[in-house]
Amino acid sequence: EAQVTQNPRYLITVTGKKLTVTCSQNMNHEYMSWYRQDPGLGLRQIYYSMNVEVTDKGDVPEGYKVSRKEKRNFPLILESPSPNQTSLYFCASSLSIQGNYGYTFGSGTRLTVV
Amino acid sequence: GNSVTQMEGPVTLSEEAFLTINCTYTATGYPSLFWYVQYPGEGLQLLLKATKADDKGSNKGFEATYRKETTSFHLEKGSVQVSDSAVYFCALGGRGGSNYKLTFGKGTLLTVNP
Repeated sequence: EAQVTQNPRYLITVTGKKLTVTCSQNMNHEYMSWYRQDPGLGLRQIYYSMNVEVTDKGDVPEGYKVSRKEKRNFPLILESPSPNQTSLYFCASSLSIQGNYGYTFGSGTRLTVV
Repeated sequence: GNSVTQMEGPVTLSEEAFLTINCTYTATGYPSLFWYVQYPGEGLQLLLKATKADDKGSNKGFEATYRKETTSFHLEKGSVQVSDSAVYFCALGGRGGSNYKLTFGKGTLLTVNP
């Protein structure tokens, strides 16, 4: 089954403790992206990647890092999480960087930073 | 830059009622347009899409037509069901500023009562 898999689904952590949210897709998509969803703000792009070793900032990249060492994986790293990074995070992938085919989204990771 | 404006909810309807959720956009060029649906506790799923002017996307009884002259992509369904209760997002794909991304509206919560 074609899918984007994120882990974990739920995570509670403390301020400053480094964490990684994993994302993997099995569709051989070149384009991958991370979004966060917050009430009243909708979905905002954090980072995206157009291919292996090619990543770029989205609209809200501060406090996040990403890497794309393999085509299928695109982990999101929070080096020193803070409470304002409490959010619902989605990974997405697409066949085309133009987005013409739409994106396939993961099921989301609900992160709480206390 | 690109932007999407959709009607704010919540929208509450009775089963078998007619649904319209308005969506207008601002974009340079010729973006692709999408409607995504998010059921409670789940990720976003592509509902339908249209890639050029006058295209009509349709799926599961939902329809939307890409209207370039009015920069709109309104979502309609002739007879809603309780199972259609969800949050609906209008989105456009392409290059928004310096990013390649989907630009989302803020979402419309639909509740359908039996």
